[in-house]
Amino acid sequence: DAMVIQNPRYQVTQFGKPVTLSCSQTLNHNVMYWYQQKSSQAPKLLFHYYDKDFNNEADTPDNFQSRRPNTSFCFLDIRSPGLGDAAMYLCATENEKLFFGSGTQLSVL
Amino acid sequence: GESVGLHLPTLSVQEGDNSIINCAYSNSASDYFIWYKQESGKGPQFIIDIRSNMDKRQGQRVTVLLNKTVKHLSLQIAATQPGDSAVYFCAENGGATNKLIFGTGTLLAVQP
Repeated sequence: DAMVIQNPRYQVTQFGKPVTLSCSQTLNHNVMYWYQQKSSQAPKLLFHYYDKDFNNEADTPDNFQSRRPNTSFCFLDIRSPGLGDAAMYLCATENEKLFFGSGTQLSVL
Repeated sequence: GESVGLHLPTLSVQEGDNSIINCAYSNSASDYFIWYKQESGKGPQFIIDIRSNMDKRQGQRVTVLLNKTVKHLSLQIAATQPGDSAVYFCAENGGATNKLIFGTGTLLAVQP
C-alpha cells in the first residue's frame, strides 16, 4: 500500500494560472518535504516542515508556497507558474529515511 | 557550496555482471548516506543506507562501501538484472543540517 500519496499524477496548467499539488501520508511522520526534479537532474529541496514549523530553502522562489493543515496532508501552491516550473514535484516524509511519493509531473502550457 | 557528485553519468553493464556505481561527496560533516533508485516516471526508492561509523553494509544483492578518507561512496549490485535499470542517486545528510543533498545521478543500463 502506498504510504506517501501524491495527487494528481499528472497536472497540466497554463502559464500564470495558479496550481496546487497535494500530498498525503499514512506514516504519521512529523517531517514532510517538497522536492522539485527537472528532467535528468537530481531532486532539489524546495522546503520542508518539521511538524508545523516551515523551513524554506534560501533559493526557493517566492512563487512557491506550501501549506500543511495537519500531520497527514501537505500542499504545494505555485502562484504563477512559468515555463521553467515544469518538472516532477516529489513529496517525501522522514523517519530517519526519506519515503517518497510517486510524484506529480507538472506541465506548463 | 557543499555538494555530492557522481563520476559517471551512464553505466552500461551486461545482465548477470556486477555493477559498481560511484559517488564523491564533499561535506565532511555528513554522517549518513543513502542510495536511491529511481525508475522512469517514479519517485526515488530507498535501496540502502550507511552511517559514517561503518565502512561497509550489505543488503540483498547490494553493498554500499564508504571511504571517509577520500570522501567516496559506492554502490555494488551483484548479478545485475534488467529490472535494475534505473537512475541511481547517492545522497548525504550534511551532518547537523539533517537535510538530504542528492548527487547528480547515474543511469544504469542493463544489456540482455
